[in-house]
Amino acid sequence: DTAVSQTPKYLVTQMGNDKSIKCEQNLGHDTMYWYKQDSKKFLKIMFSYNNKELIINETVPNRFSPKSPDKAHLNLHINSLELGDSAVYFCASSQGGSYNSPLHFGNGTRLTVT
Amino acid sequence: SQKIEQNSEALNIQEGKTATLTCNYTNYSPAYLQWYRQDPGRGPVFLLLIRENEKEKRKERLKVTFDTTLKQSLFHITASQPADSATYLCALDPLSGNTGKLIFGQGTTLQVKP
Repeated sequence: DTAVSQTPKYLVTQMGNDKSIKCEQNLGHDTMYWYKQDSKKFLKIMFSYNNKELIINETVPNRFSPKSPDKAHLNLHINSLELGDSAVYFCASSQGGSYNSPLHFGNGTRLTVT
Repeated sequence: SQKIEQNSEALNIQEGKTATLTCNYTNYSPAYLQWYRQDPGRGPVFLLLIRENEKEKRKERLKVTFDTTLKQSLFHITASQPADSATYLCALDPLSGNTGKLIFGQGTTLQVKP
């Protein structure tokens, strides 16, 4: 009965590879997000989707491409991985914006690029 | 420049005491501010939301204040317990709207000793 689930939990890969992280929410929310937490623990938004439509696209390299097949799923595909991509990536969801419906986060995917 | 700052040094207190965590922001005019708790290896969990027209918000042993003049929010945990040990994050929407684009502080780690 996990509300926001991400897979995999750990991802270790080499530079130059392409990888994907999957996220699913069963809360019935219409908005989903990807956040990145770096080694200094800062959480930064990358993307948000509302009903499968891209709403927020922060200054993120084009190598990162989100895909939302339906409003319960938001996947993140990363091409040509670089060392600096190593971080923990969190998926989150909310109903509308965050004013009345705060974010529900998954437990993160720790990506290590070697 | 816009900043949201929390005390990066860990806060160590004795069980039963009140923990007070600080969140300061610069060059934002948020309509609301949120507090989250993050345990190691887990995603942030929402605790409280306080709006700009609210001075104080309470939930069980938690209390949050919001001073828009000082540009500061204080987060209090009364009668603290070892189970309260975690990292606490404050967050605001920089667009003062309902976008879900939350900006997070780097968090303050609280350690409650029995």
